[in-house]
Amino acid sequence: GDSVTQTEGPVTVSESESLIINCTYSATSIAYPNLFWYVRYPGEGLQLLLKVITAGQKGSSRGFEATYNKETTSFHLQKASVQESDSAVYYCALGEAGSFNKLTFGAGTRLAVCP
Amino acid sequence: ETAVFQTPNYHVTQVGNEVSFNCKQTLGHDTMYWYKQDSKKLLKIMFSYNNKQLIVNETVPRRFSPQSSDKAHLNLRIKSVEPEDSAVYLCASRDWGASAETLYFGSGTRLTVL
Repeated sequence: GDSVTQTEGPVTVSESESLIINCTYSATSIAYPNLFWYVRYPGEGLQLLLKVITAGQKGSSRGFEATYNKETTSFHLQKASVQESDSAVYYCALGEAGSFNKLTFGAGTRLAVCP
Repeated sequence: ETAVFQTPNYHVTQVGNEVSFNCKQTLGHDTMYWYKQDSKKLLKIMFSYNNKQLIVNETVPRRFSPQSSDKAHLNLRIKSVEPEDSAVYLCASRDWGASAETLYFGSGTRLTVL
């Protein structure tokens, strides 16, 4: 089946440091998966951070970036300079194009940013 | 801003009991989902409803049954819970067929089965 593997947390970084959270995927039931990063801030529900639907493209939001690499089946999340407000749990996910009926999430990576 | 509401936030029960979780969305979306987040923190889709019609039913035990009175509500009933049902259950909604590209999640219901 489909699967997503991401950096095991917790990840602790200091404010203004750079960040990378690794994500690799295996899509056996979806020919052209869409790739997502979701985030859960403390006390809130999951929300979409960014999405990329085409291999080779990069998505960005709130200073975060991720590039859809079909060759390495990766979708790493990066930020050049994190802020304390970025502390949250980040989930990598893959899904069918145009549908959320087969959406597979990774286990999540808890990020703690220290002031 | 919360737009997908789940109740209760937490529920502790014993093996064999029946539980029911509620979910309501105020976004006017046509499609709602239930996901299960297990002890390994993996989210797996359980059910999907579009306009009160079941459109996705992943392989879940028959003791799980979704219930939808209208497109804004999708409840989840578990008859005779078992220890492996302990998890966080997440409700979500999306706008079917529109350009909307995202799911809106509730904050989850944590079930503990003793």
